[in-house]
Amino acid sequence: GAGVSQSPSNKVTEKGKDVELRCDPISGHTALYWYRQSLGQGLEFLIYFQGNSAPDKSGLPSDRFSAERTGGSVSTLTIQRTQQEDSAVYLCASSFLSRRDTQYFGPGTRLTVL
Amino acid sequence: DQQVKQNSPSLSVQEGRISILNCDYTNSMFDYFLWYKKYPAEGPTFLISISSIKDKNEDGRFTVFLNKSAKHLSLHIVPSQPGDSAVYFCAASGNNQGGKLIFGQGTELSVKP
Repeated sequence: GAGVSQSPSNKVTEKGKDVELRCDPISGHTALYWYRQSLGQGLEFLIYFQGNSAPDKSGLPSDRFSAERTGGSVSTLTIQRTQQEDSAVYLCASSFLSRRDTQYFGPGTRLTVL
Repeated sequence: DQQVKQNSPSLSVQEGRISILNCDYTNSMFDYFLWYKKYPAEGPTFLISISSIKDKNEDGRFTVFLNKSAKHLSLHIVPSQPGDSAVYFCAASGNNQGGKLIFGQGTELSVKP
């Protein structure tokens, strides 16, 4: 199974709770990206990891959002004190190396904040 | 501000005809453009790309045209097939932006038999 996997596929939470979303990139891919798609919107860039470089966090919408990438592989996106406007599909993608390498997307995690 | 725009939320085309999906961008630093296709409950899949040094790239039934002076690109699908029915996203990246992609809002294509 060589694709990008994400878990959980669906997450329903109450406002104010913390959530963790997981991404397993394609083996050997050095770049990992998080995007989100709100209802009726395009994909919005959140954060980007490339090898051992400092991540590009320029798309994170608030300090409630954070992400880690451990051992250059698995990544976790954490949203603290969730709000209703955080409801969206969170998509992870990975690519081999350079910026023009194709980004392969996982199926996404649908987050619903009640 | 929306740096990549797809102004048509939906498009309906008859099977066998040409589908033309349009995309406009505002950032002159963008130098690489891509189209992704997305089915419901799946992640987007890469379709075709074009570098700013070209004005056309073709792959089978799919052709992307780039007009840098107008900051406009389009995706042509010919002939269109019912299996092409999906949401199509235009995306762009710039040399100063690392690997992140800036996406448009998407156009939902429906190809009717």
